[in-house]
Amino acid sequence: DQQVKQNSPSLSVQEGRISILNCDYTNSMFDYFLWYKKYPAEGPTFLISISSIKDKNEDGRFTVFLNKSAKHLSLHIVPSQPGDSAVYFCAASDIFQGAQKLVFGQGTRLTINP
Amino acid sequence: KAGVTQTPRYLIKTRGQQVTLSCSPISGHRSVSWYQQTPGQGLQFLFEYFSETQRNKGNFPGRFSGRQFSNSRSEMNVSTLELGDSALYLCASSLGVKVNTGELFFGEGSRLTVL
Repeated sequence: DQQVKQNSPSLSVQEGRISILNCDYTNSMFDYFLWYKKYPAEGPTFLISISSIKDKNEDGRFTVFLNKSAKHLSLHIVPSQPGDSAVYFCAASDIFQGAQKLVFGQGTRLTINP
Repeated sequence: KAGVTQTPRYLIKTRGQQVTLSCSPISGHRSVSWYQQTPGQGLQFLFEYFSETQRNKGNFPGRFSGRQFSNSRSEMNVSTLELGDSALYLCASSLGVKVNTGELFFGEGSRLTVL
């Protein structure tokens, strides 16, 4: 069963506009959520995270929002830049497993058009 | 400091063979995790080692195994390869303390093709 789902395999956004990537989860035990970014031929790199005790975390152009009641999180990128074109993975963990066992979504390929 | 190093980067095997992949974590990192990435499935957790002990295991058959050495380097082995084992195998390292920072440092992966 897919405990973390990214229902949009791809997203295309104009440069300078906002990119919104969405992620849903089913396991209510998850208490920590992360976003990773992956370029072709490279490993994923950590982007931003959020604890379940918060509903928003911001880091520069990147903001993650968490709606626990809806079991939904989203990543906002403002403004979008061509270098943001990559595959974005949402991931979750629970306090019992720690950060060492992450459950990932399928990924969303973001393309920023000039 | 040097990142996570995985070898080999690419390899081709035939069904029934076995394969061993290697991972050298970032210096000072004691936890090594392995993930399988296939199209449409995202990254699926295989197992995690800390101080030479397997701490976590994913839902993969027993053909998938791993180990960690005293210098934190890790290997994973897949025996009796099947076509469906074709994937990118990613290794990630972290300090290994049970704090939910979630920041895993990934290598570039080993791309396995099974013919």
